[in-house]
Amino acid sequence: QKEVEQNSGPLSVPEGAIASLNCTYSDRGSQSFFWYRQYSGKSPELIMFIYSNGDKEDGRFTAQLNKASQYVSLLIRDSQPSDSATYLCAVKRLWGGGADGLTFGKGTHLIIQP
Amino acid sequence: GAGVSQSPRYKVAKRGQDVALRCDPISGHVSLFWYQQALGQGPEFLTYFQNEAQLDKSGLPSDRFFAERPEGSVSTLKIQRTQQEDSAVYLCASSLGPERPQHFGDGTRLSIL
Repeated sequence: QKEVEQNSGPLSVPEGAIASLNCTYSDRGSQSFFWYRQYSGKSPELIMFIYSNGDKEDGRFTAQLNKASQYVSLLIRDSQPSDSATYLCAVKRLWGGGADGLTFGKGTHLIIQP
Repeated sequence: GAGVSQSPRYKVAKRGQDVALRCDPISGHVSLFWYQQALGQGPEFLTYFQNEAQLDKSGLPSDRFFAERPEGSVSTLKIQRTQQEDSAVYLCASSLGPERPQHFGDGTRLSIL
């Protein structure tokens, strides 16, 4: 069973609308949650990170975390064509818990339609 | 530069050859991670260094894979007797500490013929 699940998409959203990206994880020991954006042929770029239940906002981006439901999401407001990319959800256990690296989902391919 | 630097950007090798991939982390970042990313997949964790100490190598797929960071800065990932299934993008990431956000380099795209 994949530890981090994402809908691979593609998810098509009209320009100016809200894009909603979802991620579920299986390991209840996960403590840190990250969203990375990856353009084709490029490296992952950190967009948001969240550690506590609730919402965290940064500009047009909002990360939402619900540890009880093992669910994390990313909202992108006022979507722009430049937001078209693959969005990777990643989770991490406590350091030293035998899983020091990030565990990534496969990513959701987002397309913003002009 | 200010970011994580990896070299070479592209590497083509024949099956059975040994390869070495280099990572120069962000200055001051004590934590360094290596990941392998296959086409259409998310990155998969390979190994982790805290300064010069390799604290986790649970993700290395076989004993043909070896990583080092002798002086706690630059790291090298070595793959011996390469196989076709080793073809992937190898990403290096660094962070200020193990719990801090990781920043990735541009990766090395390895193709084994």
